[in-house]
Amino acid sequence: QQQVKQSPQSLIVQKGGISIINCAYENTAFDYFPWYQQFPGKGPALLIAIRPDVSEKKEGRFTISFNKSAKQFSLHIMDSQPGDSATYFCAASPRAGANSKLTFGKGITLSVRP
Amino acid sequence: DVKVTQSSRYLVKRTGEKVFLECVQDMDHENMFWYRQDPGLGLRLIYFSYDVKMKEKGDIPEGYSVSREKKERFSLILESASTNQTSMYLCASKTLPGTGQYFGPGTRLTVL
Repeated sequence: QQQVKQSPQSLIVQKGGISIINCAYENTAFDYFPWYQQFPGKGPALLIAIRPDVSEKKEGRFTISFNKSAKQFSLHIMDSQPGDSATYFCAASPRAGANSKLTFGKGITLSVRP
Repeated sequence: DVKVTQSSRYLVKRTGEKVFLECVQDMDHENMFWYRQDPGLGLRLIYFSYDVKMKEKGDIPEGYSVSREKKERFSLILESASTNQTSMYLCASKTLPGTGQYFGPGTRLTVL
C-alpha cells in the first residue's frame, strides 16, 4: 500500500514555464511534508518543506501548496530552467516519535527543455 | 553544512560475498537510515537507527543487517550478496522528529 502517491510520473516543461508536481497522502498522522531534488549520480537533497499549519510556503522559485482537507500537497517551480531537470520526490512523516521516519513517493522525472 | 559520507561511490562484488557499506555523518544526528533506490520503485527503506546500538527494520530488511556502534557511523551489511541486491544504496541522517533527512551521495553496488 503506497501511502504517498506522486503525479504525474514524468513531466516535460519548456524553459520559463511552470512545473507542477502533485502528491497525495493517506495517513492523517503525517504533519511534515518535504520535497527532495535529486540530480543524476547524486543523493537526494532537501529542497523545501511545509507543515500543515500553513497553506503555502515559498522559497525563491519553489512553492509548496498544501490542502489539508484533500490530503494533497504540490510543488510549483516558477520560471523553470534546464538546471531544474532532475528527479523530485515528495515525502511525509509524523512529527511525533523519536523514531519517526519519512515515507517517500516514487519520484518523478522533470525535464526542462531549452 | 551537514555532511553525510559513504565509503564507496561504486562497488562490484560477487554473489555470495559479504559486503559492508559504511556511512558517516558529522552533525551528531540521532537518526540514521539506509535506503535502496531502483528505477520505478523510488526510495525503499531497509533499516534505520534512532540511537547507538538501536535498530529497526524498514520496509525491505530481508538479506540485510546493520550495525551502529558509534553515533556517527551506520553500517549496512549484506551477509551473502545476491544479484537482486544490485542497486543504488543511500544513507541518510536527521536530528529531531519531523525534520528533513540529509542524504549521502550513494553507493552504486553491482553484484555479479
